[in-house]
Amino acid sequence: DAGVTQSPTHLIKTRGQHVTLRCSPISGHKSVSWYQQVLGQGPQFIFQYYEKEERGRGNFPDRFSARQFPNYSSELNVNALLLGDSALYLCASSLAPPGLAGEQYFGPGTRLTVT
Amino acid sequence: GQNIDQPTEMTATEGAIVQINCTYQTSGFNGLFWYQQHAGEAPTFLSYNVLDGLEEKGRFSSFLSRSKGYSYLLLKELQMKDSASYLCAVSPSNDYKLSFGAGTTVTVRA
Repeated sequence: DAGVTQSPTHLIKTRGQHVTLRCSPISGHKSVSWYQQVLGQGPQFIFQYYEKEERGRGNFPDRFSARQFPNYSSELNVNALLLGDSALYLCASSLAPPGLAGEQYFGPGTRLTVT
Repeated sequence: GQNIDQPTEMTATEGAIVQINCTYQTSGFNGLFWYQQHAGEAPTFLSYNVLDGLEEKGRFSSFLSRSKGYSYLLLKELQMKDSASYLCAVSPSNDYKLSFGAGTTVTVRA
């Protein structure tokens, strides 16, 4: 079975531009979470979606938005990019619904560089 | 807020044992996870503790004490391929997100 997939693998953008990152969860997983990982730090929670609804949001500005589609894939959008947005963006899917802890499976990530 | 602390770096010799400690202060508790992350790769799941005690999975074991807000990951019979960052993460109660520590970089030397 395919694991969590993300696209693109790498991306270079200029300050002020917009970016869309994509994630496909493991088949049967309805929960998708997004994390930002800056070099040398642990992942920081951005969003969680379950059954196409936002169920959690981390401490990120409104420039960050996301959505989940009927097939449970998800997009993360970042507007007005700043240099500080350069990071590895990880998508994770899980079988467990919100409120229940369950193993999260991470995708390979998208490495975003903002110049 | 969530506060999760773990050492920044540890070095050990091939075949030895290393223990990575993690202390946490979170608003609620719904389980503690350990992930392994090789440089440039995604985190991979190692263990999950929700009750006090020791969970053993082959060369890796994880311990939890909820009253002390403390966990450790024990890596036995270290191999070169165990050189990686080890992330401690807590799932707060009624909240699905994971709050991660900064990670402990383990270097295994021959």
